[in-house]
Amino acid sequence: QQPVQSPQAVILREGEDAVINCSSSKALYSVHWYRQKHGEAPVFLMILLKGGEQKGHEKISASFNEKKQQSSLYLTASQLSYSGTYFCGTGEVGMRFGAGTRLTVKP
Amino acid sequence: NAGVTQTPKFQVLKTGQSMTLQCAQDMNHNSMYWYRQDPGMGLRLIYYSASEGTTDKGEVPNGYNVSRLNKREFSLRLESAAPSQTSVYFCASSERVTYEQYFGPGTRLTVT
Repeated sequence: QQPVQSPQAVILREGEDAVINCSSSKALYSVHWYRQKHGEAPVFLMILLKGGEQKGHEKISASFNEKKQQSSLYLTASQLSYSGTYFCGTGEVGMRFGAGTRLTVKP
Repeated sequence: NAGVTQTPKFQVLKTGQSMTLQCAQDMNHNSMYWYRQDPGMGLRLIYYSASEGTTDKGEVPNGYNVSRLNKREFSLRLESAAPSQTSVYFCASSERVTYEQYFGPGTRLTVT
């Protein structure tokens, strides 16, 4: 079962904040976050593990609510370079990715 | 380090033709994956190999076969290409199945 992401798209001005949500109908043990720029491969941003451990990006943070089977990615003081499509991925063996959230940051 | 490499970068096939997509990683990773990405959509897992010598089906395995040739290489074969297989194919690798994945640049396949 694929995780569900929201919103599908968001447009920001530089310096604004955004939150991207990811939810699953199955119990989550970890959540991965990736960013993909147009025409390029996805790039790893962050892993959140059951128990609260996080590994990843310095300027992007995330939360993981195991009980609600949800994760949120927080992009603060957005920069032009944050533009791209963000995917969450779940699954212990064999990743399932959400459909993506397209983020556009304008000057 | 090259990371994850894929060949070819582009390919056009006619319906019914066969081809093999090649993937290699130089990070000594145990796990490797094949995904397809259709326009405006997320990544869907075709097959994966948790470790050398093992392969397992993902979400959308029909019409594909894979071979984990050795620890470095993981190939994807289309035996009889169909227009529905037109997509961008990404190979990825990770140290273990639950760890972060590193993606190759992708192969853009068109089946006419």
